[in-house]
Amino acid sequence: AQSVTQLDSQVPVFEEAPVELRCNYSSSVSVYLFWYVQYPNQGLQLLLKYLSGSTLVKGINGFEAEFNKSQTSFHLRKPSVHISDTAEYFCAVSAVGNTGFQKLVFGTGTRLLVSP
Amino acid sequence: NAGVTQTPKFQVLKTGQSMTLQCAQDMNHEYMSWYRQDPGMGLRLIHYSVGAGITDQGEVPNGYNVSRSTTEDFPLRLLSAAPSQTSVYFCASSSTLGGSGNTIYFGEGSWLTVV
Repeated sequence: AQSVTQLDSQVPVFEEAPVELRCNYSSSVSVYLFWYVQYPNQGLQLLLKYLSGSTLVKGINGFEAEFNKSQTSFHLRKPSVHISDTAEYFCAVSAVGNTGFQKLVFGTGTRLLVSP
Repeated sequence: NAGVTQTPKFQVLKTGQSMTLQCAQDMNHEYMSWYRQDPGMGLRLIHYSVGAGITDQGEVPNGYNVSRSTTEDFPLRLLSAAPSQTSVYFCASSSTLGGSGNTIYFGEGSWLTVV
């Protein structure tokens, strides 16, 4: 069964500093990994996803993530954060059941707090 | 460019009341689902549907009912609300094409409080 661990529940950082949000996964089948962002009182928006190919995936708003198979990790990074990046970030792995339905198995989320 | 639309956005219920959260998508997606989000637990799958007339249970189905009469709509019914159902509910949809790598689209969420 697939599972996702987000190691930090909260990450405080100053504006313009770099940030890394950590995500480790467990999967017995081919891995498809996602990062979603949830701004306060809003829905989930896809930041980026890894399907195959290049292990460095670029997403929206200047975020990128690196897939590391040997370390079973998919950490999210941004070289310089803005106040507007304050949000909750969810790492997820895709799982397909017997009916073909694709669901996401989510980590517990990391709250990024950017201060001036 | 509506995508996935959920209503209501906020709702307060009394214990024992019933209600329906509405969800509609305009992308002609076959797959639809409901997740609930609780602090420190991420999102968990409640029920899902692989097409009109076909539904199945997810990880946390107890206390909820669903039906899918059309491709577009997938309402979630709370039969007798309990304080443990205080949560944020997200409806989602995705295409059957592309397999496990499909993007799953989420609605804006419904914040439900049961008192």
